Amino acid sequence: DADVTQTPRNRITKTGKRIMLECSQTKGHDRMYWYRQDPGLGLRLIYYSFDVKDINKGEISDGYSVSRQAQAKFSLSLESAIPNQTALYFCATSGGGSGQGHEQFFGPGTRLTVL
Amino acid sequence: AQSVTQPDIHITVSEGASLELRCNYSYGATPYLFWYVQSPGQGLQLLLKYFSGDTLVQGIKGFEAEFKRSQSSFNLRKPSVHWSDAAEYFCAVGNNAGNMLTFGGGTRLMVKP
Repeated sequence: DADVTQTPRNRITKTGKRIMLECSQTKGHDRMYWYRQDPGLGLRLIYYSFDVKDINKGEISDGYSVSRQAQAKFSLSLESAIPNQTALYFCATSGGGSGQGHEQFFGPGTRLTVL
Repeated sequence: AQSVTQPDIHITVSEGASLELRCNYSYGATPYLFWYVQSPGQGLQLLLKYFSGDTLVQGIKGFEAEFKRSQSSFNLRKPSVHWSDAAEYFCAVGNNAGNMLTFGGGTRLMVKP
C-alpha cells in the first residue's frame, strides 16, 4: 500500500467552482506539504504544516487554503477555481528533525484541469 | 533566498552512453541536496541525497552525484544509461529548518535506442 495517497487522481472542473484535494499518509510523519507542478517551473510550495495546529504559507499560497484535519490528513482547497490553477498537485510528508528528517516523500499527484 | 537552476531543459542520450545532469544551487549555508526522478504519470521518487560527509553520494538505479561547494553544484551522473531511465529529473535544495524544499525546473531525459 502506498504511504502517501492523494484523491482524486484526476479532476476536471469549471471556473468558479470550489474544489478540495485530499492527502493521507501512513508514514506517521508530522510534517506535510502541498506543491504544484507546472512545466518548466518544477514544483512550488503552496502550504506546509508541521503539526495539526501549525499551518504556514509557502511560495504561492494566493487562491488556496488548507486544512490539517489530523496528523495523517492534509487537504488543499481552491475556493473559486480559475484556469491558471490548472496543474499537477503533489502532497508530501517528512519526519522533521535534522538530516534524514528533511527528506520528503511524495504522493502520486492529482492532475487538476480548470476550464 | 534559496534557488536551484537546472540549465538543461531537455537532454537526449543513446542507450549505453554516460549521462550527466547539471544542477546549480544558491543557499547561504551548507545545503541539503536531493535528486528526484519523475517517470511519466508518476509521482516523485528520491534518487539520492546529500546532507553532510562524503561529497560523492550513491543512489538507487546506479546513479551518483557529487557535491562541489566551490561551484555550488550537485550534478547527477550515470555511467551507462538504460531506456528505462527516460524521465524527468529534478534537483532540489532544502533549508536547515526543513520547511522549504526548492526545486529546479527539471531536465527531461530522452534515451535513444
